[in-house]
Amino acid sequence: AQKITQTQPGMFVQEKEAVTLDCTYDTSDQSYGLFWYKQPSSGEMIFLIYQGSYDEQNATEGRYSLNFQKARKSANLVISASQLGDSAMYFCAMRVKSTLTFGKGTMLLVSP
Amino acid sequence: DVKVTQSSRYLVKRTGEKVFLECVQDMDHENMFWYRQDPGLGLRLIYFSYDVKMKEKGDIPEGYSVSREKKERFSLILESASTNQTSMYLCASSLLGGGTQETQYFGPGTRLLVL
Repeated sequence: AQKITQTQPGMFVQEKEAVTLDCTYDTSDQSYGLFWYKQPSSGEMIFLIYQGSYDEQNATEGRYSLNFQKARKSANLVISASQLGDSAMYFCAMRVKSTLTFGKGTMLLVSP
Repeated sequence: DVKVTQSSRYLVKRTGEKVFLECVQDMDHENMFWYRQDPGLGLRLIYFSYDVKMKEKGDIPEGYSVSREKKERFSLILESASTNQTSMYLCASSLLGGGTQETQYFGPGTRLLVL
């Protein structure tokens, strides 16, 4: 069975600072994908970034980067230069075959 | 851009009613998914479908059924709604192909209240 753990229920960060959201995963499969999604108060899940289990380089998408440490089974999301609009719930998810398993999420609040 | 739409943003139903939640995607995706989201529990997979007329149970299928008669449309059915089915329901779709191609794209969600 797959499991995703997000240990931080909430995080505070000041505008323009960087923040790291933690994610650890557990699977016995060798082939898997790791995703981060953002969910603002409107409710829609917005795809942010993807890392494949065989990818050697850490994924980056604009201000988002994924710190992938395979031996530790961690896939932390780093947001650089936080903006007020980054305030939202953030979910880490893992895909094995075609289905996703989600963590319980981390609420990020960005203050001016 | 991928577009996934859901028939209602908010829905109020009475216990025992039959409820249909519809999801449509316009990107010719093979895979479609239904999740429910509850505070403190994250997203849990109810059912998914990888082709027309095909369906697979997810983690919490009890009390739900699905229908996929056309590739672009995936319906979630609550045969007899109960108060414990009050939740946020999210539909998603993805290509079938592995890697980043199988990124799931979500609709805006339906908040269902069962009284």
